[in-house]
Amino acid sequence: EAGVAQSPRYKIIEKRQSVAFWCNPISGHATLYWYQQILGQGPKLLIQFQNNGVVDDSQLPKDRFSAERLKGVDSTLKIQPAKLEDSAVYLCASSLALAVIYNEQFFGPGTRLTVL
Amino acid sequence: AQSVTQLGSHVSVSEGALVLLRCNYSSSVPPYLFWYVQYPNQGLQLLLKYTTGATLVKGINGFEAEFKKSETSFHLTKPSAHMSDAAEYFCAVTGGGADGLTFGKGTHLIIQP
Repeated sequence: EAGVAQSPRYKIIEKRQSVAFWCNPISGHATLYWYQQILGQGPKLLIQFQNNGVVDDSQLPKDRFSAERLKGVDSTLKIQPAKLEDSAVYLCASSLALAVIYNEQFFGPGTRLTVL
Repeated sequence: AQSVTQLGSHVSVSEGALVLLRCNYSSSVPPYLFWYVQYPNQGLQLLLKYTTGATLVKGINGFEAEFKKSETSFHLTKPSAHMSDAAEYFCAVTGGGADGLTFGKGTHLIIQP
């Protein structure tokens, strides 16, 4: 079974530029998460999708970050314009479905963003 | 709301010695608790999880953790450290089956030869 795919793996941009990250979840996984992991810290949830709808985006800086999950499969996270403090690893994860039982989250390898 | 505190940003043990990584949590609902490991330039790998049932859970690579509700703790242990255990370890909590995870800041485990 293929895992969660992310691209690009690395990205370097200048501040105020725009950048986009792509995530392809495990086939059949209805729930998709984006996390931000700043160096020296644990991952922080940015946004959660259930199919193509947003479940939780309370920690997403909406003035500069946006995300979409068209057709309920792949997802794109965009930053526009980027700031120095956005330098981090952006992790995508997916799980089977929203339910009362626990659903394991599977993580992709991440995209390492450096903002200069 | 949930939160996680990992005591010690760096832990150093000798090869063959006991590994103990500490995690305390706060949760307004019965928690689901996890330990993840992250090797350099790699994604997160689930070591073990507590959802319901037995409070002592066993995971991969010889690790285990015990859920202690009275102490709000979920410490990770391994009887004998191996060089390959050197990595970053994260404790995480969630209150719902598919809710996002709240992570601690991580503990860097160093294994001395």
